[in-house]
Amino acid sequence: NAGVTQTPKFQVLKTGQSMTLQCAQDMNHNSMYWYRQDPGMGLRLIYYSASEGTTDKGEVPNGYNVSRLNKREFSLRLESAAPSQTSVYFCASRDRGGHGYTFGSGTRLTVV
Amino acid sequence: QQQVKQSPQSLIVQKGGISIINCAYENTAFDYFPWYQQFPGKGPALLIAIRPDVSEKKEGRFTISFNKSAKQFSLHIMDSQPGDSATYFCAADGGRERALTFGSGTRLQVQP
Repeated sequence: NAGVTQTPKFQVLKTGQSMTLQCAQDMNHNSMYWYRQDPGMGLRLIYYSASEGTTDKGEVPNGYNVSRLNKREFSLRLESAAPSQTSVYFCASRDRGGHGYTFGSGTRLTVV
Repeated sequence: QQQVKQSPQSLIVQKGGISIINCAYENTAFDYFPWYQQFPGKGPALLIAIRPDVSEKKEGRFTISFNKSAKQFSLHIMDSQPGDSATYFCAADGGRERALTFGSGTRLQVQP
């Protein structure tokens, strides 16, 4: 099915380890987003990319970096994981001028 | 800084009853207000949305009521069904990042 694909679905990291969360969309959307979801706090924007070649910080960017590799792919990197980064991470995309997001199914990350 | 406030945090409704979830926003630049539905283990999916020039929008059993002067909007689920049990997020679009700002979520449980 067309949409947004996130990998991996689950991951356990030790404090200080690094990893990259992958996201790819096949809808030819211009904008891509990374959110984290924590209980009682909704979804908070980490980083976004309004178009290929551009990235900007969202509400909670500290401890993360992103790369918009091409129009399809937008990755999120944790350089030195911390327990506070235990969360469910969602990638989303939308077309220019559109309002509705298409979300991936999420990556559940636990940092111990 | 929470720009979209959502209540209640959780809601239990009997089958056939009306579920009501409320949201309030602060930023008058917001120009699109969607509601997302999320089932466990899945990403949020667009349910229904409204623009501020409309006071009400109905799609099947789901209705958004919008009060621009009060900067409030709400989701009404008529004839609630057990299959409606999910987490619901309100959101607002049009802010500085041109990214959706989400409320904190409401966990709805519809009892048979």
